[in-house]
Amino acid sequence: DTGVSQDPRHKITKRGQNVTFRCDPISEHNRLYWYRQTLGQGPEFLTYFQNEAQLEKSRLLSDRFSAERPKGSFSTLEIQRTEQGDSAMYLCASSLDSHYGYTFGSGTRLTVV
Amino acid sequence: QKEVEQNSGPLSVPEGAIASLNCTYSDRGSQSFFWYRQYSGKSPELIMSIYSNGDKEDGRFTAQLNKASQYVSLLIRDSQPSDSATYLCAVNRGDDKIIFGKGTRLHILP
Repeated sequence: DTGVSQDPRHKITKRGQNVTFRCDPISEHNRLYWYRQTLGQGPEFLTYFQNEAQLEKSRLLSDRFSAERPKGSFSTLEIQRTEQGDSAMYLCASSLDSHYGYTFGSGTRLTVV
Repeated sequence: QKEVEQNSGPLSVPEGAIASLNCTYSDRGSQSFFWYRQYSGKSPELIMSIYSNGDKEDGRFTAQLNKASQYVSLLIRDSQPSDSATYLCAVNRGDDKIIFGKGTRLHILP
């Protein structure tokens, strides 16, 4: 069990550029979640997958955001045409059963300049 | 009304004292309840989970749940400077995802 891995840890991008983040969950976990956290706020749900199926997307996830989990393993979160308001910590978490909580990765901190 | 509400703090507690953190939630159908600890610049770490009314103890931590009052609390006994962090209350409503409060910043005074 190597934990949940996220890459990159930090990303600075210019407004209007596209960025992609990767998450590798704990290997036996079939559920994978993406959250966004800004300063002084708790994590806000964005989307989640059970295996390769994306089961729910938050209203926070505009058309510029897309997430995939091919083959039910790692996941990617892409943000197109980044805006300054996208600056945040993007957290990935995984679980076997959300009733028992999640394990979070270290997060990807995005700064849009 | 927010789904999970917490006082944002900061809550300052002398070293060695008991820190008491509180949370209320809005969905009566919620099934599982969590406390996560988050150090500045780090990701949340699960420290306690509770599923039924009453108290659950783990070392210096005690979680308390009152479903009738829709209230969850966390007590930290013998507070240490290393307990200084933001504590996130979180709730699973039974729809396979967890909703988080804004967190309470706890500062342990040496």
